[in-house]
Amino acid sequence: EVQLVQSGGGLVQPGESLRLSCAASGFTFSSLWMSWVRQAPGKGLEWVASIKLDGSEQYYVDSVKGRFTISRDNPKNLLYLQMNSLRAEDTAVYYCARENNWARDIWGQGTPVTVSS
Amino acid sequence: QSALTQPPSASGSPGQSVTISCTGASSDIGRYNFVSWYQQHPGKAPKLLIYEVSKRPSGVPDRFSGSKSGNTASLTVSGLQAEDEADYYCSSYVGRNDHWMFGGGTNLTVL
Repeated sequence: EVQLVQSGGGLVQPGESLRLSCAASGFTFSSLWMSWVRQAPGKGLEWVASIKLDGSEQYYVDSVKGRFTISRDNPKNLLYLQMNSLRAEDTAVYYCARENNWARDIWGQGTPVTVSS
Repeated sequence: QSALTQPPSASGSPGQSVTISCTGASSDIGRYNFVSWYQQHPGKAPKLLIYEVSKRPSGVPDRFSGSKSGNTASLTVSGLQAEDEADYYCSSYVGRNDHWMFGGGTNLTVL
């Protein structure tokens, strides 16, 4: 079964760090781009970051550039999102997603991140 | 970059058809045929309905169809069913630097 299983997330204070993980199974992880998408409470979807199949290129939405890092471990079929200097406006449910045919066709279950003092 | 523009709400009766629009610009929807549509039920992860403007992944009913004209993409849901009540999001590739953009979402109500 093709699936993405997420872990990490939780409650942190402003300025702190958090790392999200996403374990892929059922497909050749190293052959596809991957991305992170977030959804603030009661709001719409927002693309956060994407990473090329071999990890050589990463792209970010402007609001997280310099603070978030997307990475992947292809031998372990793992995708990561390292989030530093977290702000209240980063509070959201974070989804990892597989990019295929210029769309996100498989999504993780989502993991909530709350930034609050 | 501003989000793609969708109507906040849409509605229709069972069996009817509803079309949801997604308006962008000549730099995104107008330039690339990489528009996708997602369905999201409350508390659930989004589900891909349409990719590359009008293609359906396997398992998605043919009641869902997509199209594009100029800078506007559209999703049509035909033969509305109760389970179609959900939020719908469009997305477009916007180029190498900004990469992807989503619409603000449309809440579809089946009356």
